[in-house]
Amino acid sequence: DAGVTQSPTHLIKTRGQQVTLRCSPKSGHDTVSWYQQALGQGPQFIFQYYEEEERQRGNFPDRFSGHQFPNYSSELNVNALLLGDSALYLCAVMGGSSYNEQFFGPGTRLTVL
Amino acid sequence: GEDVEQSLFLSVREGDSSVINCTYTDSSSTYLYWYKQEPGAGLQLLTYIFSNMDMKQDQRLTVLLNKKDKHLSLRIADTQTGDSAIYFCAESDSGNTPLVFGKGTRLSVIA
Repeated sequence: DAGVTQSPTHLIKTRGQQVTLRCSPKSGHDTVSWYQQALGQGPQFIFQYYEEEERQRGNFPDRFSGHQFPNYSSELNVNALLLGDSALYLCAVMGGSSYNEQFFGPGTRLTVL
Repeated sequence: GEDVEQSLFLSVREGDSSVINCTYTDSSSTYLYWYKQEPGAGLQLLTYIFSNMDMKQDQRLTVLLNKKDKHLSLRIADTQTGDSAIYFCAESDSGNTPLVFGKGTRLSVIA
């Protein structure tokens, strides 16, 4: 158990709205990645944060942005929501003695109506 | 681009062995992972193998890697009903680069 928490668990929004999702790693995990998992698909990489900077980014539009705080926790923001943004959003953490392993949180299920 | 392929479904009887297969295209894949996802949950890291290995065993799990054919498999011995889940294969160029996932294999265990 990597002790990663995500909030909220579920969220319902309407098209055009904005959403903020949160991820809190346990101590020692200083790198946070965000993934989007559409129904029936594998997770797709959105971006990765380390030392409060975006280090790598996947093929997602600028509507997806993020932030990492000094305590390593992270937020994912999505603006101008589209129906296609409905998915499970997962954060993955690594760091400390586990730089080869990414541990996932339980996810936030976002539904856009 | 990078691609990871898995068969979508596998059904086995309780007590039998399960073998889940995966192929990948990226020659620079250094780490290959297996994750398990139960309904409504996040992904649980089961095991991973470094590309200079060809086998790794961890209790009931055995991972085989054929780097020449870019083929990875996960064998679960004595499969139990609690093993029913979706299993994802993923690859990474190095331990801290983004994971590229397959679409997952749904394992159903029949009692």
